[in-house]
Formats: sequence, structure tokens, C-alpha cells
Amino acid sequence: EVQLVESGGGLIQSGGSLRLSCAASGFTVGYNYISWVRQAPGKGLEWVSVIYRGDNTFYADSVKGRFTISRDNSRNTLYLQMNNLRAEDTAVYYCARDGPERSLQYWGQGTLVTVSS
Amino acid sequence: DIQMTQSPSTLSASVGDRVTITCRASQSIITWLAWFHQKPGKAPKHLIYKASNLESGVPSRFSGSASGTEFTLTISSLQPDDFGTYYCQQYNSFPWTFGQGTKVEV
Repeated sequence: EVQLVESGGGLIQSGGSLRLSCAASGFTVGYNYISWVRQAPGKGLEWVSVIYRGDNTFYADSVKGRFTISRDNSRNTLYLQMNNLRAEDTAVYYCARDGPERSLQYWGQGTLVTVSS
Repeated sequence: DIQMTQSPSTLSASVGDRVTITCRASQSIITWLAWFHQKPGKAPKHLIYKASNLESGVPSRFSGSASGTEFTLTISSLQPDDFGTYYCQQYNSFPWTFGQGTKVEV
């Protein structure tokens, strides 16, 4: 059974850094498209980043240059390193894995990041 | 970036109603479109992929269709568990983008 469990969220001051983790089970992180998607309080979903086919990565413009996605195949874990955090980065962060035709089929429960100004 | 525009933003409906939500892409995404359902405090649930393919286990009252850059999610007979917010998402090209959501309420 595919499972994704996020951790690492919390309260951080503006300008600070945080690393989110997404522990995977039921599959190997090295073989799939895995994304981070966030949702600010009371707002819609925003796609943040993806890693796929080895170390190919892509980012939303809003986080490019500040966030880095990576994975550790030995730990079967996905990461999101977030630097220079801003108040507008406050959100629940979900990791999501692809399913049929690369669609975001599997989702974790999310971890809340709060950036105080 | 490809913009995804959903309509309506809010929809009031009753159990048993036929509900239709539309999502329009700012340029061609072929059929690389997914639909999700989200309830408050929960992760999104994957409903449909590649515009019209139902995720395993999703009730057959849900269906998706495509016509050019316009995509439609239809619920043939709304059930109590179907209330919440629906999102479309294109995954034709990066950055992947979501619609702003359609809240289905009583």
C-alpha cells in the first residue's frame, strides 16, 4: 500500500529555513514523479515543485531560487529545503506521488508551516 | 504559465441534483487534466485523470469530459459525501497549475 507521511513543519521566523520530509512506503521514491503541493489557510491548492526520472526538478516561480526538492533513495524519503521563508509561504505542505498517466494519485496528510513576520 | 479557470466558484445544490463544474485552460493541455475533491482539513482526493478516466474506487456518478481547452466534471446525482471543494489541475507542462476551486455546498 502506498503511503506518504510528511513531517518537519512548524513555526519559523521570516527569513529562516526549514526542511520538510516526506517518508514513503509501498514504493521506491526513485522511480516516480513526486511533487510538493501547498495550501495557504483558506485558499486553494498551489503546486510547488516536482522531482522525476533521476534528479530532474522543476519549481513554481514563487519558490524558485529559495526551495530545493531532493530525495534519498536509501531512506526512501523526499525532502523540501525551504530557505529565505516569507509570510506568504505559510501553508499546509503536501507531498503527492503520481499514479496513472502521471496524475497526482497519492497524497500525504500534510504538514503545516507557519512563517511569522 | 498555463492558467486554469474554474466556474462557478461556488455552487449551491441539493442531494440528488446533477452538478456540472467547468475548467478552462488558457492554452492547449491536450487531455492532461485531473480532478480532485477536498473536504476541510483533509488532503485532496484524486477523482479523474487524463480528463475522463475515473480513479479506481471512485463512484460512477462522477464523470469527466473534454472539448478543446474546456473540461467538465459532472456528478450525475449529488450525494451527501460529495460536498466540499473541487479542483482541476493541468499536468501538460511545468509549472503544473490548479484551478482556483469550486465549492459545492447545500
